[in-house]
Amino acid sequence: EAQVTQNPRYLITVTGKKLTVTCSQNMNHEYMSWYRQDPGLGLRQIYYSMNVEVTDKGDVPEGYKVSRKEKRNFPLILESPSPNQTSLYFCASSFLRLGNTEAFFGQGTRLTVV
Amino acid sequence: GQQLNQSPQSMFIQEGEDVSMNCTSSSIFNTWLWYKQDPGEGPVLLIALYKAGELTSNGRLTAQFGITRKDSFLNISASIPSDVGIYFCGTSYGKLTFGQGTILTVHP
Repeated sequence: EAQVTQNPRYLITVTGKKLTVTCSQNMNHEYMSWYRQDPGLGLRQIYYSMNVEVTDKGDVPEGYKVSRKEKRNFPLILESPSPNQTSLYFCASSFLRLGNTEAFFGQGTRLTVV
Repeated sequence: GQQLNQSPQSMFIQEGEDVSMNCTSSSIFNTWLWYKQDPGEGPVLLIALYKAGELTSNGRLTAQFGITRKDSFLNISASIPSDVGIYFCGTSYGKLTFGQGTILTVHP
């Protein structure tokens, strides 16, 4: 089954404790991206990647890191989480071909930083 | 970053009513995407549009790619309670960007 898998689904952590949220897709998509969703603000892009070893900042990259060592995986790293990073996070992937750029989303990771 | 202006922000309607929402931008795009997000879930694609002027239906949903390529709208006919959720428009110009979302509430 074609899917984007995020882990964990729920995470409560303390300020300053490094964490990683994993994202994996099995559709051989070139493009992967991370978004955070906060009430009234829609889906804001954190980082995206057009292919292996190619990553770029989105609209709200501060406090986050990513890596794309393999095509299928795109982990989101919070080196020193702070309470303002409490949010619902989504990973998405798609092809980059004209006429075929529909994104598939993971189930989301609800992160609480206390 | 690239801005998509989606409206309305929220809608409260009665079951059976039709719904219309739209998305505009100051830039030209080659793709418009419409997604629905159920509570606690990730967004799911409803309709993808790739050609200016294109009108596409998916059951009770109809979406159009504006002729200027700067806008798109989504209509839902004869709404039902399970239409409740957040609807997002999105575009792809190398990176995927989404509007702020329209929160739809349907009263039985």
